[in-house]
Amino acid sequence: GAVVSQHPSWVICKSGTSVKIECRSLDFQATTMFWYRQFPKQSLMLMATSNEGSKATYEQGVEKDKFLINHASLTLSTLTVTSAHPEDSSFYICSASPIPGLGPYEQYFGPGTRLTVT
Amino acid sequence: AQTVTQSQPEMSVQEAETVTLSCTYDTSESDYYLFWYKQPPSRQMILVIRQEAYKQQNATENRFSVNFQKAAKSFSLKISDSQLGDAAMYFCAYKGGGADGLTFGKGTHLIIQP
Repeated sequence: GAVVSQHPSWVICKSGTSVKIECRSLDFQATTMFWYRQFPKQSLMLMATSNEGSKATYEQGVEKDKFLINHASLTLSTLTVTSAHPEDSSFYICSASPIPGLGPYEQYFGPGTRLTVT
Repeated sequence: AQTVTQSQPEMSVQEAETVTLSCTYDTSESDYYLFWYKQPPSRQMILVIRQEAYKQQNATENRFSVNFQKAAKSFSLKISDSQLGDAAMYFCAYKGGGADGLTFGKGTHLIIQP
């Protein structure tokens, strides 16, 4: 149980185009999902907190208009990278906190999406 | 803001030996959680162990145990009887008591020598 999927696992897009990444909780519902970014050989950085039915909360320094987050249902959150540029190339990972859960610490990670912008 | 510091970019240990990975953190909150995550080459994040700040007893999961020193804000991970499958990046992470995301340290690359 407690599986989180991401689609696609790897995407290549041209500079200036937009790309959407999906994060789904397959066997549980999640009010809150998180989006992280990981550059090669670096740590994960929290980008935003996605709450079902409300606007996402972005971390300082993350461009809201570039990284659009939609949490339309209790099992799906999407991250759209708009007008992508090569510097947006990174590994994007989502995580989800189940409801009901064991506590605020419980969260499960997706396998990640590798974005390459050419 | 909370910060997590891992001062060991890389550690190497012989198979079957014991290794300790260090982590310190800074916070002004009283209610929080600490984690160690493993990230193998597949890049899937795997929870190794979790510690609630309000618990005095150190968490243990089979060969993995932590030394949680709340006053010193230290949270080290001990891996006993190291196995080849333990080789990975290990990240220390902090989470506040609310619906917060995780703050990660920079990670420690653990190498297991056969």
